[in-house]
Amino acid sequence: RKEVEQDPGPFNVPEGATVAFNCTYSNSASQSFFWYRQDCRKEPKLLMSVYSSGNEDGRFTAQLNRASQYISLLIRDSKLSDSATYLCVVGPTAGGYNKLIFGAGTRLAVHP
Amino acid sequence: EAGVTQFPSHSVIEKGQTVTLRCDPISGHDNLYWYRRVMGKEIKFLLHFVKESKQDESGMPNNRFLAERTGGTYSTLKVQPAELEDSGVYFCASSQEEYTEAFFGQGTRLTVV
Repeated sequence: RKEVEQDPGPFNVPEGATVAFNCTYSNSASQSFFWYRQDCRKEPKLLMSVYSSGNEDGRFTAQLNRASQYISLLIRDSKLSDSATYLCVVGPTAGGYNKLIFGAGTRLAVHP
Repeated sequence: EAGVTQFPSHSVIEKGQTVTLRCDPISGHDNLYWYRRVMGKEIKFLLHFVKESKQDESGMPNNRFLAERTGGTYSTLKVQPAELEDSGVYFCASSQEEYTEAFFGQGTRLTVV
């Protein structure tokens, strides 16, 4: 079983749509959680950290359910520029904050 | 401010040859990480330097891989001898503190033929 599992997609949505990505992680002792964005042939970039209380950054909302070991990302009012691969990332159980465990990514394509 | 830079951006080598990848972290960042993504797989952690010391090299796949960070500035990752399964994208990242955001370089795409 993979440590971080994501639906690979692709998700093809029209501009203005709302889209949700889900992710599960296997280690219940994991302590930090993130969503990264990766454009084609570019480096991963931190989109947002994910907290148990849920957090929002503009059109993006992230949620964490520790009991179910489940992380989600909601994108509202999709823009063409949101087209990218979204990586669910989990931090280690102890130490090494940036010893990150990546999911394989979910591809999003937003079309006019 | 310059970001994390990696060189070369692409490298094509024959099986059995040696390749050295270089990473220049963001100035002032003591923490430097190597990751790689092989074909069809997730990005995976290789190792972590704090200044010139290897803090964690648990992700290094085998002894054909050697990472160094002399002087605690730039880092090199040498693959010797390269095998076909080493093909992939090698990313370097750096962070100022161990518990702050790591910024990634654009990666080196390695193809072993």
